[in-house]
Amino acid sequence: AQSVAQPEDQVNVAEGNPLTVKCTYSVSGNPYLFWYVQYPNRGLQFLLKYITGDNLVKGSYGFEAEFNKSQTSFHLKKPSALVSDSALYFCAVRDLLSTHNNNDMRFGAGTRLTVKP
Amino acid sequence: DTGVSQNPRHKITKRGQNVTFRCDPISEHNRLYWYRQTLGQGPEFLTYFQNEAQLEKSRLLSDRFSAERPKGSFSTLEIQRTEQGDSAMYLCASSLGWERVDTQYFGPGTRLTVL
Repeated sequence: AQSVAQPEDQVNVAEGNPLTVKCTYSVSGNPYLFWYVQYPNRGLQFLLKYITGDNLVKGSYGFEAEFNKSQTSFHLKKPSALVSDSALYFCAVRDLLSTHNNNDMRFGAGTRLTVKP
Repeated sequence: DTGVSQNPRHKITKRGQNVTFRCDPISEHNRLYWYRQTLGQGPEFLTYFQNEAQLEKSRLLSDRFSAERPKGSFSTLEIQRTEQGDSAMYLCASSLGWERVDTQYFGPGTRLTVL
């Protein structure tokens, strides 16, 4: 079964600095990978996904993520953080080999990003 | 496209009572999902519909939980004989259903508190 690990509960960065939120995954086959963001009292908002193709995926709000198969990672990045980026970020994975269940998406526990002015 | 909506946003109930939540997906989305999220955790999958058919249920979905999507549009999630452990955020998501791996769009959730 697939799984996701977000090794950092909390990430703090200063506004204007680059940010990275880490995610590693484990799957039997090839992964489909997602990043979502959750603001207080709101549902998850889709940021980006990796299915196939270029390892660098660009998404909403200036975020991007790099798929690294050898390191089984899919870290979320942004060149210049904004205070408004402060939120809870979730990485999720689905396994390409899972042909029976159409929804076997597993979420990480989340990383709280705080951007300080 | 008004997004996925969920009602109510908050529900406080006493242990043993039944509760029902509603989810209205994005129009023309064929797939609808229910998740549960507890504090400090990511969403956990509960069940999934393709149109009106419930195609998958998680082991987390005990027999006290039931979900329906009678006309392939909105869905309801009912919890019978609620327990304090049922306190959580219940999230609904929908997706187009045209692709094998399509993007799920989430609603704001219903926060359930069982006293």
